[in-house]
Amino acid sequence: SQTIHQWPATLVQPVGSPLSLECTVEGTSNPNLYWYRQAAGRGLQLLFYSVGIGQISSEVPQNLSASRPQDRQFILSSKKLLLSDSGFYLCAWSVGIGGSPDTQYFGPGTRLTVL
Amino acid sequence: GQNIDQPTEMTATEGAIVQINCTYQTSGFNGLFWYQQHAGEAPTFLSYNVLDGLEEKGRFSSFLSRSKGYSYLLLKELQMKDSASYLCAVPSTSGTYKYIFGTGTRLKVLA
Repeated sequence: SQTIHQWPATLVQPVGSPLSLECTVEGTSNPNLYWYRQAAGRGLQLLFYSVGIGQISSEVPQNLSASRPQDRQFILSSKKLLLSDSGFYLCAWSVGIGGSPDTQYFGPGTRLTVL
Repeated sequence: GQNIDQPTEMTATEGAIVQINCTYQTSGFNGLFWYQQHAGEAPTFLSYNVLDGLEEKGRFSSFLSRSKGYSYLLLKELQMKDSASYLCAVPSTSGTYKYIFGTGTRLKVLA
């Protein structure tokens, strides 16, 4: 069976500090990978998605970046955090090609507070 | 463009039936998803509709009308554990494998 891991679970960072959130998927190959952010009481905002190693699509211009160094690893980074980066960060995967429906499966999330 | 509308909040009583609506505007349609999200947790998949009609899965059913751009999630025999947010989502028309999520409906089940 497939599992998705995210860490850390919670993070408190000062403004201007760097960020690195990691997501890994087990039990599947060549998944589509996604990073979402959910602000308090708000919907899911798609930040980045990837359909293969080294391929990243950015949805929202901001001070965040994403990388996919391995097939089942997705990393969200920032060089300098802003207060507005606070939120609940969710990684998700889907089967992609051949998946019908292309259901998304979410990791447990990282709650980031920028002070 | 694409847009999804859901009521912000609903309240219902344990044992009752509740219907959570979702309306969407999209230039092309390729299915609609419902997810459940408990407070502080990740969303989990509930249902997927691509054809008109009702799909039943135990206490939860989901309905779709493509001509009306409308879906609803029907929860029967409500339990306290059904208190959660319910998100509907449709594939984006601006890219393959992208999805647009509604802001979610927060359901409170009262004893």
